[in-house]
Amino acid sequence: NAGVTQTPKFRILKIGQSMTLQCTQDMNHNYMYWYRQDPGMGLKLIYYSVGAGITDKGEVPNGYNVSRSTTEDFPLRLELAAPSQTSVYFCASSDPQDIQYFGAGTRLSVL
Amino acid sequence: AQSVAQPEDQVNVAEGNPLTVKCTYSVSGNPYLFWYVQYPNRGLQFLLKYITGDNLVKGSYGFEAEFNKSQTSFHLKKPSALVSDSALYFCAVRPPINAGNNRKLIWGLGTSLAVNP
Repeated sequence: NAGVTQTPKFRILKIGQSMTLQCTQDMNHNYMYWYRQDPGMGLKLIYYSVGAGITDKGEVPNGYNVSRSTTEDFPLRLELAAPSQTSVYFCASSDPQDIQYFGAGTRLSVL
Repeated sequence: AQSVAQPEDQVNVAEGNPLTVKCTYSVSGNPYLFWYVQYPNRGLQFLLKYITGDNLVKGSYGFEAEFNKSQTSFHLKKPSALVSDSALYFCAVRPPINAGNNRKLIWGLGTSLAVNP
């Protein structure tokens, strides 16, 4: 039972670099989410998707992009990394009862 | 505006004592209510949810939560705390589905629970 898998687990970027955070789920869930978690700030929704080919912005989408070409995959793209994007990123998917299942996270530092 | 409040940043309790982690919400209608737990360097894990019915909901690891509609609260409880319960706990609310909601959860900021031996 893999659930939600995120790669990489850790990454250090230089300012201005770009990268893609990978997320895949094997539960055939339509809904998927990207969050960032900063100390004391809880979870902030970056983007979400209600199914393949459909994505929408969350609370803090600036500086990020997503795509959803398949039900399984929901990658998050950072185009021009900034120090403000230093955070822990979580991908999640939800079942029909709205229970969200989270990946283990990607810890990103932008220096 | 819809919101979820966890009024305590940190809760400290001795092992074997009962614990309560508080959550209140401001959402119209009949929302779904959730508790999640996050252990260090891990993703969040679902503990329990309330949709309707009995106000006392039982979940994983011996946790339960009490729904109080008049106080718009959904407090997490456990009769006897374990050191291994030390973690970050998040309350979340899913408002009634309508145009624009799309099943997103509204999250509290989290409460750090420390259970002391």
